Parts: sequence; structure tokens; C-alpha cells
Amino acid sequence: GAVVSQHPSWVICKSGTSVKIECRSLDFQATTMFWYRQFPKQSLMLMATSNEGSKATYEQGVEKDKFLINHASLTLSTLTVTSAHPEDSSFYICSARDIQSYEQYFGPGTRLTVT
Amino acid sequence: AQSVTQPDIHITVSEGASLELRCNYSYGATPYLFWYVQSPGQGLQLLLKYFSGDTLVQGIKGFEAEFKRSQSSFNLRKPSVHWSDAAEYFCAVGALGGTYKYIFGTGTRLKVLA
Repeated sequence: GAVVSQHPSWVICKSGTSVKIECRSLDFQATTMFWYRQFPKQSLMLMATSNEGSKATYEQGVEKDKFLINHASLTLSTLTVTSAHPEDSSFYICSARDIQSYEQYFGPGTRLTVT
Repeated sequence: AQSVTQPDIHITVSEGASLELRCNYSYGATPYLFWYVQSPGQGLQLLLKYFSGDTLVQGIKGFEAEFKRSQSSFNLRKPSVHWSDAAEYFCAVGALGGTYKYIFGTGTRLKVLA
């Protein structure tokens, strides 16, 4: 089946630094990838839609300048949390939509802790 | 507005008992419906999905779900729960075309008693 990987699986960074999270579709191409955020014991909230070769579309309330998204190829999207603060600590999950179907495949998630 | 409601935040069942997790949706077009399971600290695993056709959908791990258009529901069932089924379960509705966005319910946390 289709596999989506995320790297790193967990990261700890200091407040004020930036951290990049990668999302890769390993055995299929994805023109569209999605980034979600999940707080403890809560549901997934869509942050943005990442489109290959174009700007990401952010959901209402998500700061574009804080959460930078790049989708440079059909198999890779990156989320950079800039000037991270403790309130950015969360579980970030990406998904990738297969170019030949409408189904999304989810990555295993990245746990970010900002100290 | 599109939405997914999972009325039960927590459910506790005994091992071997039957299970039904409720999901109701509000969607303007034909819904594409999913159930996912998430173990603590892990990503999402797809249990089953409904796009069209037979309204009773079979999934992995012995789960099934039934799409009822008249009730706007897509409830998940399992006839006999195993201790390993303890996890968080999310219902989601997806768009085919356009944004392809998924909207997730708030989740139901399942606890299984030995």
C-alpha cells in the first residue's frame, strides 16, 4: 500500500528557533499534501493544503509566516515552524493525496516539543 | 457547513463484547466517509472507507461500518472487541474533487476491560 513518511518522528527545540518537518510519499506521487495539527487528546485540525509547484493554502487562523510550507516535488512537502514557542508544541501529521486517486494517506506524525 | 460529529467522547466495553461507535455527518454532496484508528503517539491507520455501492463496508481488524444516508450516519461496528482495539477512533468525511479536504470528528476513545 501507499506509504507516507515523516521526518523527524520527534524533535525538541529551543524557543525562538526554527524546525523543519519533512513529509514524503514513498511509492506514489502527490500533487497535494495536507498538514494537520493535533493537540493531546484532540482531533486533527487541518492547517494547510500544500500544492506542488504553487503556494500553500492555509486554513483560517493559521499564520502563514509562522508555518512555512514548501512542496517542491511530487513526493516531498516540508513544514517549517519558524521562531517556535512552547505553544507550538504539538503533534504534526501530514497526508498525501495520490495523484491517481482521491484518497489521502497519512504519515506517522512528528511530535514537536518547544522548550 | 460540512461537519462530522462523534457523540461519544469515551466508550468502555468488556473484551469480547460488541462495539458500535457513532458518527454523523453534514455534507452538501455525496460524502466520502472514513474511519481511522490512532494508538497513543502514533499516526492514523485507515480501518475502512465508503465511496459508493454497498452501504455495508468491511474493513480491517474485523470492523465494519454502515452508511445510512437517511440518518446521515456512518457507524462503526465490531462484533467482538479485543483488548488491542483500545485506541482513539476518528470518523472523517472527505471531498472528492475541489480541495480534497478531509474533515475529522472529535474522536472516540475506546477503553477495553479485560
